Amino acid sequence: DAKTTQPPSMDCAEGRAANLPCNHSTISGNEYVYWYRQIHSQGPQYIIHGLKNNETNEMASLIITEDRKSSTLILPHATLRDTAVYYCIVRFPGTYKYIFGTGTRLKVLA
Amino acid sequence: GAVVSQHPSRVICKSGTSVKIECRSLDFQATTMFWYRQFPKQSLMLMATSNEGSKATYEQGVEKDKFLINHASLTLSTLTVTSAHPEDSSFYICSAPSLDRQITYGYTFGSGTRLTVV
Repeated sequence: DAKTTQPPSMDCAEGRAANLPCNHSTISGNEYVYWYRQIHSQGPQYIIHGLKNNETNEMASLIITEDRKSSTLILPHATLRDTAVYYCIVRFPGTYKYIFGTGTRLKVLA
Repeated sequence: GAVVSQHPSRVICKSGTSVKIECRSLDFQATTMFWYRQFPKQSLMLMATSNEGSKATYEQGVEKDKFLINHASLTLSTLTVTSAHPEDSSFYICSAPSLDRQITYGYTFGSGTRLTVV
């Protein structure tokens, strides 16, 4: 089954770029990679998603390797409010069910 | 984007009683909703898939008689924790397919319900 692997925690200085890696080596060819974040005691919030090409929106950038086995979420100028758990997600193949990995607990330091 | 409203946000109940949690899709219809459970400092665990007009599909290890799911309309799914025990205390979250065409096959999550059984 497709799954994701992320480092359990990371620290980042305020104003610097936060680069959060994710391994999804078993992802199938037509499955998207989604990134969500969860601030304490809230529901997950959508950040960005991608299939093959790199993507950018107002919140973040997503870099996907050519073999699609890994990706990196980039928060270009991290703020204290970006402190959260970040989840890299793929779906169960052939379904609409998300597989949540353990996520990365990002702490932005003042 | 689509909004999913979850109620209540926080509930405390006595052991042995039942608690109902509502998940509503606002301004859009959701024929499918998902229910998750999250213990402190752990990831979200999918409990079941709620299907409008039919029985829910439960993940392995989730007791269907314990966690009753009803999806009677296109905008409302409910999760009832029956005969609650302290070990059922958790954070319950629902999600529905996002109508934002920018999020291909993505989902919008509710704000969660913190259940404490005493």
